[in-house]
Amino acid sequence: ELKVEQNPLFLSMQEGKNYTIYCNYSTTSDRLYWYRQDPGKSLESLFVLLSNGAVKQEGRLMASLDTKARLSTLHITAAVHDLSATYFCAVDKNNNDMRFGAGTRLTVKP
Amino acid sequence: NAGVTQTPKFQVLKTGQSMTLQCAQDMNHNSMYWYRQDPGMGLRLIYYSASEGTTDKGEVPNGYNVSRLNKREFSLRLESAAPSQTSVYFCASSEGRGTGSYNEQFFGPGTRLTVL
Repeated sequence: ELKVEQNPLFLSMQEGKNYTIYCNYSTTSDRLYWYRQDPGKSLESLFVLLSNGAVKQEGRLMASLDTKARLSTLHITAAVHDLSATYFCAVDKNNNDMRFGAGTRLTVKP
Repeated sequence: NAGVTQTPKFQVLKTGQSMTLQCAQDMNHNSMYWYRQDPGMGLRLIYYSASEGTTDKGEVPNGYNVSRLNKREFSLRLESAAPSQTSVYFCASSEGRGTGSYNEQFFGPGTRLTVL
């Protein structure tokens, strides 16, 4: 059974600091997704990582994937308040059957 | 383009009542999904439809049924609602596996359902 674990579940950061969110999954998959959800809103796609060693960057966010370790990271550089949201990673079972992590609620404080 | 639309936005049911949540997408996507979101548990897949004419169970299908009415529409039915089904329900769509796409999902705005 595919399990997806994120940590930390809650993260409070100061503006300007760096931090990393971790996403571990239990069985082989060839792609991993990161989504963002603002409070009371829907989810929007941030990154899709397709292969081992894949790295994608958008602004202050950078995601990477290590399929051998079954680990993805979402690195936040010089955090700003606008990044406050809940971040989810998700993995599919090599079909359309998706499993999401529990989410990391990020709060960036001035 | 409206993207993914869901109706209703809010619903209150009494235990034992039935209802259908509607979802439609205008992106010509092959695959559609229904999730529920509960506090601290992320999103859990209820059912998905990889392509028109097919449906499959996800992680938490008990108590639900689905219909892929056509390529655009995917409905979720609660036959006899229970308080444990109080949740926020999201519909999503994607191009689908095997299409050469990234298969990222696009989500609707959600339906907040309360079962008393």
